[in-house]
Amino acid sequence: GENVEQHPSTLSVQEGDSAVIKCTYSDSASNYFPWYKQELGKRPQLIIDIRSNVGEKKDQRIAVTLNKTAKHFSLHITETQPEDSAVYFCAASRGNQGGKLIFGQGTELSVKP
Amino acid sequence: DAGITQSPRYKITETGRQVTLMCHQTWSHSYMFWYRQDLGHGLRLIYYSAAADITDKGEVPDGYVVSRSKTENFPLTLESATRSQTSVYFCASMAGGLREQFFGPGTRLTVL
Repeated sequence: GENVEQHPSTLSVQEGDSAVIKCTYSDSASNYFPWYKQELGKRPQLIIDIRSNVGEKKDQRIAVTLNKTAKHFSLHITETQPEDSAVYFCAASRGNQGGKLIFGQGTELSVKP
Repeated sequence: DAGITQSPRYKITETGRQVTLMCHQTWSHSYMFWYRQDLGHGLRLIYYSAAADITDKGEVPDGYVVSRSKTENFPLTLESATRSQTSVYFCASMAGGLREQFFGPGTRLTVL
């Protein structure tokens, strides 16, 4: 089955710096890659997603890149702010598996003012 | 986010007892999911359902039972709770296809 590895497990940056979180997946048939943000004590919420027919997607300060050949995808956050502090999860899914998501282990991002 | 709710929000039980966690969504989403979240493991899929009366196992189904007689409800039952099932449980729903999953607020379960 699918396996998703996420690195690093913790990341500390200064406010205004960029943050990059990387994930690799094992199933070459996976075609949907969402990223979820979970603030302390809250539920996970989708922040951005990318499908396998696209190499990059941006939404304001957040971008995701996908390399299908290498089977890895990354989350890029620019101009980080203290409110970006949270745990970020990547996930992978195949379209023929009913939305079944396999999540990475999570990255705890801390943005220091 | 009021569209998907979970109850109870907190539960303490003892080893061997049966526990049922409830999940209700008001969007008429076809797909529903149960995850458990443990430190160091992220979110792991327990069971999912593509429609009423259709359920399938996820990554960690052992010790859990689900049913889905109505589209809006997806209860998760621990038939004989064990300490290893102490966790935070999240329910989620999705309209269909490869789309955003909306998570409930979670249930923190402690098995003594």
